Amino acid sequence: EIVLTQSPGTLSLSPGERATLSCRASQSVSSSYLAWYQQKPGQAPRLLIYGASSRATGIPDRFSGSGSGTDFTLTISRLEPEDFAVYYCQQYGSSPPNTFGQGTKLEIK
Amino acid sequence: EVQLVESGGVVVQPGGSLRLSCAASGFTFDDYTMHWVRQAPGKGLEWVSLISWDGGSTYYADSVKGRFTISRDNSKNSLYLQMNSLRTEDTALYYCAKDYGVLTSEYYFDYWGQGTLVTVSS
Repeated sequence: EIVLTQSPGTLSLSPGERATLSCRASQSVSSSYLAWYQQKPGQAPRLLIYGASSRATGIPDRFSGSGSGTDFTLTISRLEPEDFAVYYCQQYGSSPPNTFGQGTKLEIK
Repeated sequence: EVQLVESGGVVVQPGGSLRLSCAASGFTFDDYTMHWVRQAPGKGLEWVSLISWDGGSTYYADSVKGRFTISRDNSKNSLYLQMNSLRTEDTALYYCAKDYGVLTSEYYFDYWGQGTLVTVSS
């Protein structure tokens, strides 16, 4: 089973700043089968990115994904107040089972 | 508009059983693989199970294998999770999630329900 480790655990930034979230896999994720989700308190997760770099429908272009192999990054170019949330990466290259990272909490500084 | 509405979550004693349901609307249900994903209180996400669009293939996380059974009724646009031999560590919010792929399994999720809470406690 592929283990995903997200860093940092918590990221404190201000609106307007750039956020860089990392997701590292314990072994190579085939065909960049990696997704990112955003979860706000009391809400279900929302798909942001799939295939490591493709934005899901309706996702603003300030969100971008990159990476391959074992190292992946979610970048939010300019933080809006509504972007403060918990972010999870998920690999689906060796599915099932799918596995998720433990999450990165993006909080307002 | 895609809607997924889970139900059936309650407080149950360890060793007990429970059946969760998910009512789907706004898309052609029998074209899509469906999943259950859970989240323990204050914790991260854990994939639980999937069933293919025709019900012909099912998969389970090791943590629930042999205790949980996923099923679907395409005539009722409904997904189910039968949970037996429940343990305290099964306490979680259970989400129903739609697979991205059409008549295939992509294994990531473009729509989620709001979840139903299962609490296993004596």
